Amino acid sequence: EIVLTQSPATLSLSPGERATLSCRASQSVSGYLTWYQQKPGQAPRLLIYDASNRATGIPARFSGSGSGTDFTLTISSLEPEDFAVYYCQQRSNWPYTFGQGTKLEIK
Amino acid sequence: EVQLVESGGGLVQPGGSLRLSCAASGFTFSSYSMNWVRQAPGKGLEWVSYISSSSSTIYYADSVKGRFTISRDNAKNSLYLQMNSLRAEDTAVYYCARGQRGYSGSFDYWGQGTLVIVSS
Repeated sequence: EIVLTQSPATLSLSPGERATLSCRASQSVSGYLTWYQQKPGQAPRLLIYDASNRATGIPARFSGSGSGTDFTLTISSLEPEDFAVYYCQQRSNWPYTFGQGTKLEIK
Repeated sequence: EVQLVESGGGLVQPGGSLRLSCAASGFTFSSYSMNWVRQAPGKGLEWVSYISSSSSTIYYADSVKGRFTISRDNAKNSLYLQMNSLRAEDTAVYYCARGQRGYSGSFDYWGQGTLVIVSS
């Protein structure tokens, strides 16, 4: 099973700042890495698939990069609605696995 | 508009059974793979099971293998999860999630979830 480790566990930033979230895989997942956003009481929302492709309707301030074992989700300038929990997930190998999440909170 | 609506959750005793349903609308259900993903209270996401569009391919997480059964009825636009021998650690919100077309391991639409509580 591929283990995904996200860092940091919590990120405290202010609106307008740049957020950089990391996801590291225990073995290569090639480019098959997905990012989701989840707000309290809501289902997750697809942000980025295959490491760098923005899903439909996702603002351009969200970008993803990386390959192999190291991946990054960047939010260029935080909006108030971006404060949430972010999960990475791999679809390279069965079973699909998620990271433990990074909570992005308002500083 | 794509909609996924789960139902069937509730309180069940350890060792009991429950069948979850997910009603799909707004897209050609038979063309998409589907998944169940769960989230224990206050915890992260855990993928549970996958079923291909034709039901020809099915996968389970080790934690549920042998106890849970995924199925679908394309004529009824519905996805199911039969859960047997339930344990306390199965307590979670269960989401059905659509596999993205061409990238089936990414989930582009999710239901609102149904809560399963396993407790005596």
